[in-house]
Amino acid sequence: DAGVIQSPRHEVTEMGQEVTLRCKPISGHNSLFWYRQTMMRGLELLIYFNNNVPIDDSGMPEDRFSAKMPNASFSTLKIQPSEPRDSAVYFCASVDSVNTEAFFGQGTRLTVV
Amino acid sequence: GENVEQHPSTLSVQEGDSAVIKCTYSDSASNYFPWYKQELGKRPQLIIDIRSNVGEKKDQRIAVTLNKTAKHFSLHITETQPEDSAVYFCAASISYGQNFVFGPGTRLSVLP
Repeated sequence: DAGVIQSPRHEVTEMGQEVTLRCKPISGHNSLFWYRQTMMRGLELLIYFNNNVPIDDSGMPEDRFSAKMPNASFSTLKIQPSEPRDSAVYFCASVDSVNTEAFFGQGTRLTVV
Repeated sequence: GENVEQHPSTLSVQEGDSAVIKCTYSDSASNYFPWYKQELGKRPQLIIDIRSNVGEKKDQRIAVTLNKTAKHFSLHITETQPEDSAVYFCAASISYGQNFVFGPGTRLSVLP
């Protein structure tokens, strides 16, 4: 397995534009997590899914953020409209129900100018 | 929900010395406590974990201890080496991937 795959690796966009981050979890993993990492706030849990169902989105900062998981092999995190303070590295991680270890993707570095 | 605190936020040690990082958690239902290491520009990766049915686990130079009564757990690195320099995160979770919450991280610097 290639591990958790995120795209794009880097994204530079102008304020006000829509941004979509993508994640492909490891096949067979049934939990998926989206995190945002900044120097100031560390690793913040934004939302997580179990079996494609959103369980806790209390970490989503504002209504501008939304996440979907239409099937077991794909998830998106969307920011609309984007703002400079959204600039961060966004990680996706997946977990299987047996080992409980979270495997991280390589992250998407988002810069909003 | 779960809240994980971690101390210190930065730690500098001389090569060969030991390093200790401490975490506390709030949800008594949490039963899985992993530690992740993140090198500069890379993704966090698991280095050791402990479950609530044991009090200590060791893997070569790394050990983790857990006190469920006090709701705290610690990472111990002995004989530190320059390649141990990184940011270390603790986390707490309920089994089967529920609510995986990380501490704010500790930046460890091992000085030659």
